[in-house]
Amino acid sequence: QVQLQESGPGLVKPSETLSLTCTVSGGSISGHFWSWIRQPPGKGLEYIGYIYSSGSTNSNPSLKSRVTISADTSKNQFSLKLSSVTAADTAVYYCARWHCSAGTCYHLDFWGQGTLVTVSS
Amino acid sequence: QTVVTQEPSLSVSPGGTVTLTCGLSSGSVSTSHHPNWYQQTPGQAPRTLIYNTETRSSGVPDRFSGSILGNKAALTVTGAQADDECDYYCLLDMGSGIWVFGGGTKLTVL
Repeated sequence: QVQLQESGPGLVKPSETLSLTCTVSGGSISGHFWSWIRQPPGKGLEYIGYIYSSGSTNSNPSLKSRVTISADTSKNQFSLKLSSVTAADTAVYYCARWHCSAGTCYHLDFWGQGTLVTVSS
Repeated sequence: QTVVTQEPSLSVSPGGTVTLTCGLSSGSVSTSHHPNWYQQTPGQAPRTLIYNTETRSSGVPDRFSGSILGNKAALTVTGAQADDECDYYCLLDMGSGIWVFGGGTKLTVL
């Protein structure tokens, strides 16, 4: 059974960079697509972006200028960096795996438990 | 930017049927958007109910079904139960690896 675990600071100061890592166990990140999703307290889900294990990525146009997603196959991890954060970036951040077949990705089949990141001075 | 629309809240009687919808601020939802439906209970990560419009995820009871109704994706819950009371989100494929969540529907069973 694939398991994902988010890790990183729970508190980030405004204007700084939020950095999170997702460690995957029970399977390899190679050959799969992976995503970050966030959820502000009491609000809905927001798709941040994806990475393929080879390194190709894309992200939500509204966040694109601030988002970097990378993967480290040697550590079986992928990471999120979000720069110039404000209070609006306070959210539970989830990492998840895409279920894909024949070149098409269909749904997020495994999720981490989520980690709350608060932006505050 | 395209907005994905959902009813903010709906209610259903125990044993009743309810349909949640997922639309676009501009245009129609079609099967090419590969609609997903996720269920989220408080404090938990979402779990997939339906993907690729109508495919039920493993272990999901058949009282959950997905379809396209008119110009929207739809999730129908037949024979609603008390533990169906939670939040539901649709997710649409906008192409180039960009997906967009709807705002979510809070379903009340009463």
